[in-house]
Amino acid sequence: DQQVKQNSPSLSVQEGRISILNCDYTNSMFDYFLWYKKYPAEGPTFLISISSIKDKNEDGRFTVFLNKSAKHLSLHIVPSQPGDSAVYFCAATYPGSARQLTFGSGTQLTVLP
Amino acid sequence: NAGVTQTPKFRVLKTGQSMTLLCAQDMNHEYMYWYRQDPGMGLRLIHYSVGEGTTAKGEVPDGYNVSRLKKQNFLLGLESAAPSQTSVYFCASTSRETQYFGPGTRLLVL
Repeated sequence: DQQVKQNSPSLSVQEGRISILNCDYTNSMFDYFLWYKKYPAEGPTFLISISSIKDKNEDGRFTVFLNKSAKHLSLHIVPSQPGDSAVYFCAATYPGSARQLTFGSGTQLTVLP
Repeated sequence: NAGVTQTPKFRVLKTGQSMTLLCAQDMNHEYMYWYRQDPGMGLRLIHYSVGEGTTAKGEVPDGYNVSRLKKQNFLLGLESAAPSQTSVYFCASTSRETQYFGPGTRLLVL
């Protein structure tokens, strides 16, 4: 039973345009959500996060939106750059879970020059 | 400040052999984790530790053992490797919600 789902295995976007990566979750206990970026042969690196008490968090070109009623979050990258090409994982955690993260299966983003 | 380091980077084992993967962090984090990543799947938690001397099972613990004798180190052991354990293994640590990952160990079991 996948508690965190990323239904799009891949996404291609033109350089300069917006990239929107989506993530759905089923566990109502999740209260903190994170996005990680992963290049080949490297470990995941933290990108941005959001607490369930907020519905939006921005950091430069990256914005994460959270819709708790729909159990949905999205990552917007504007403008997209070729260096953004990577696999993006969303992850979630809940209180009392020893900070365990539950990951989605990832979305491969390709930004075309 | 190296963050999270993992050794070795790559290893080939024969079925039935044993090995230990080492994870070290220099951020004084209480929590440490071992994950595996397989093609088309996200990271799955194998075992974790909430402090020195403690360990607990994650989502996919079978075939693995762990030890956390020192706060900065978290060891993952495979007693009798199986081809199903061919994967990329990541270690992570944290003191809050954001986990920081090592570069990974690629393991091939023949």
